[in-house]
Parts: sequence; structure tokens; C-alpha cells
Amino acid sequence: NAGVMQNPRHLVRRRGQEARLRCSPMKGHSHVYWYRQLPEEGLKFMVYLQKENIIDESGMPKERFSAEFPKEGPSILRIQQVVRGDSAAYFCASSPPDRGSYNEQFFGPGTRLTVL
Amino acid sequence: KNQVEQSPQSLIILEGKNCTLQCNYTVSPFSNLRWYKQDTGRGPVSLTIMTFSENTKSNGRYTATLDADTKQSSLHITASQLSDSASYICVVSARSWGKLQFGAGTQVVVTP
Repeated sequence: NAGVMQNPRHLVRRRGQEARLRCSPMKGHSHVYWYRQLPEEGLKFMVYLQKENIIDESGMPKERFSAEFPKEGPSILRIQQVVRGDSAAYFCASSPPDRGSYNEQFFGPGTRLTVL
Repeated sequence: KNQVEQSPQSLIILEGKNCTLQCNYTVSPFSNLRWYKQDTGRGPVSLTIMTFSENTKSNGRYTATLDADTKQSSLHITASQLSDSASYICVVSARSWGKLQFGAGTQVVVTP
């Protein structure tokens, strides 16, 4: 049973370009979470999705960032018109069908985004 | 202000020695508290999960304690090994769907 997979592992973009980060959850997991980790800081929640639904996006910046988890295929975190401040590690986690607040989240290896 | 505070920020210990990491939180309403280990360049890996009714839980050489009254937790590492070098992150889950609040982590370096 493969773990959570993220690609690419490293992504370099120039200011103004778009970044697309992909996350494939563990088999049987229907919940996906995205987190951002700035250098020397803890992980910060961005968004929680279930298949075709955004459950909580309270941690997402209002502009330029969007996320989706379609019926088929991986979850995508999309950052439009990237700026240097978007440089960070972006982690995806997944959890099995609902156990409420006790859901154990399994993390992927992360995508390290560098904006030049 | 972060709702999960960890101390110390970093720690250097000799191989074979024990150490204890601290976590204070203000997250409310509280559901459960987790400790994760994050190796450099990797995603966090869960060590323990405790609900408010549990006050200790072990996973091999890792033992976590929880005092839900004082909102404090600790992670004790026994007989440290070089592979224990990592960041240890305290994470508190709120009630409702279980939104996670992360501490900044304690960076542990185990030296030979």
C-alpha cells in the first residue's frame, strides 16, 4: 500500500508563473489536506477537501490560490502568478473515511517550491 | 499568536541519553494531541495520538504524556539513537472535523 504521493518533489518557478502541485492520497482515503511550511516555521493548515468538495478553506490566501479534489485523479493545489513569498514546502496529507476529529492524517513527502 | 508552543527550540544530546520535550497549548475545544517526527526533507510521521482521557502513551522508545487540565504535554525519548535526530512537532486537533494546529517543533540532534 503506497503512501501519500506528491509530485513534483521540487518545483522552480519565476515570479508571475503558475505552480501546480499534485497529491495522490493513500488507497482508500477520501480526505485530503494541504499544509504550507515556511522556512524555520511550523506547518500551517491551508485547505481540507473531500472528493469534489471543499470542506474548510479557512487557511487559504484569498487570492491566487485554489485547490480541488476531483472525482477521478489527484488533488491539485494551484498557485497563480507566484511571488517570492510563496517559496515554501507544501505538504499534502490524507485520511480514511470519517472518524471526525480523531482522523489520523498521513503525510506525503512534500513539494518544495522555489520562486526566483 | 501560535496556539501551540514548544520548548526548547533545539536540543543536542549524546547518543544513549534521554531527553524530554515540552508542549503547551491553548487550542479549544480540544479533541486530541499528537506528536510527529519530521526528518529533514520529509513529511511528518505520527508517533502518538492521545485524547483528553489518556495521560500517557508509548511507542517504542517514545513516551508522550498529556495533562488536559494544565494543557501541557511532553515527549520523552529514552536511550536516544542517531536516527532520532529530527524535528519533533506537537500538534493539537480541535473538535469538529479535527483541524490541526502545529507547534514550530523542537529540533533534536543526537551526537555520537
